[in-house]
Amino acid sequence: KNEVEQSPQNLTAQEGEFITINCSYSVGISALHWLQQHPGGGIVSLFMLSSGKKKHGRLIATINIQEKHSSLHITASHPRDSAVYICAVEETSGSRLTFGEGTQLTVNP
Amino acid sequence: GAGVSQSPSNKVTEKGKDVELRCDPISGHTALYWYRQSLGQGLEFLIYFQGNSAPDKSGLPSDRFSAERTGGSVSTLTIQRTQQEDSAVYLCAKGRGQAFFGQGTRLTVV
Repeated sequence: KNEVEQSPQNLTAQEGEFITINCSYSVGISALHWLQQHPGGGIVSLFMLSSGKKKHGRLIATINIQEKHSSLHITASHPRDSAVYICAVEETSGSRLTFGEGTQLTVNP
Repeated sequence: GAGVSQSPSNKVTEKGKDVELRCDPISGHTALYWYRQSLGQGLEFLIYFQGNSAPDKSGLPSDRFSAERTGGSVSTLTIQRTQQEDSAVYLCAKGRGQAFFGQGTRLTVV
């Protein structure tokens, strides 16, 4: 069992739909990251969370430390949101990141 | 990625040759990380530098892999006697929470 699990693996949506990607982890963490990877490989950090909720534009990230679960929401999705979204955790035992397998999101016009 | 330069962006090498991949955290951070993303797989940790020291190199897959960092800045990942399974995108990241990733080096071993 992976230490970080994401669902779904693949997600196809129509433009304008509300998107939710989930991440569960099994280890103690100091922080959780949501990353975005576009074709071509570049990775962009979207959020770093240690508690509660953060919002940036149409993106919202939440974390429940007790339940070891985080969600990434995209409101009013757009084709340019199409990318791989990756959840990653910083374990309390060290500073390196442990990654989920990623969620491939495709938003169709 | 913001403030992290990796070179080369692409590298094709013959099996058995040695390769060097470079990471320059342009604005400078004491923490620097190397990760690898194989085709169809998730990212995996390779090595972590704090300054010029590597307190965690547990992710290096074999003794063919080594890395060094000089002056608390540029880091080089060296793969000796490359194998086809080494083909992957090698990513470097810096900073608190490793928020800044380079664009990666796509290594293809033929």
